[in-house]
Amino acid sequence: SQQGEEDPQALSIQEGENATMNCSYKTSINNLQWYRQNSGRGLVHLILIRSNEREKHSGRLRVTLDTSKKSSSLLITASRAADTASYFCATAGGAQKLVFGQGTRLTINP
Amino acid sequence: NAGVMQNPRHLVRRRGQEARLRCSPVKGHSHVYWYRQLPEEGLKFMVYLQKENIIDESGMPKERFSAEFPKEGPSILRIQQVVRGDSAAYFCASSPPGFPVSSPLHFGNGTRLTVT
Repeated sequence: SQQGEEDPQALSIQEGENATMNCSYKTSINNLQWYRQNSGRGLVHLILIRSNEREKHSGRLRVTLDTSKKSSSLLITASRAADTASYFCATAGGAQKLVFGQGTRLTINP
Repeated sequence: NAGVMQNPRHLVRRRGQEARLRCSPVKGHSHVYWYRQLPEEGLKFMVYLQKENIIDESGMPKERFSAEFPKEGPSILRIQQVVRGDSAAYFCASSPPGFPVSSPLHFGNGTRLTVT
């Protein structure tokens, strides 16, 4: 399975600190995507990084991809209470579907 | 522009009844995916459809579950003779024409099915 696995499963930090979440996967990919899910809601797309890219930024988000280690990381800088959510990585490989990991539950304490 | 619309948001069924979950994708999107999520877990792929075609149903149980995406109207996920283990949140997602999953998926807010 090429399912992504996030680490840690849960993360609790103070507002203003940086939050780093990691994702590992097993097979080759075309791209890797990060999503956020607020409680009781659907997933919202954050960033898509292609297999030939190493780093991508969007506002306070920074995603890295290391295909040799089959891993990715999501960094949220200067965290805010509104960043409290679950974060999922998802991999797109040869099959025409996204395979999601179990997610990291991020809590930002005021 | 309306996003992915799912209804109902909440659905309660007794064991043995049928559940019908509806999904209207973003206008112009031709790929529809259904995922299932248990509490505190990730999303499990169920089925991928294009208009009038099931492309990949490898994640959907072969019995009691079916899905369609007709030429006109919403995509439907149908669960017959529901059991307690079917209780979960079911999410629909769509993406525009082109190579599947080369673009981000747009998700609905899900249907939460409770089987009593």
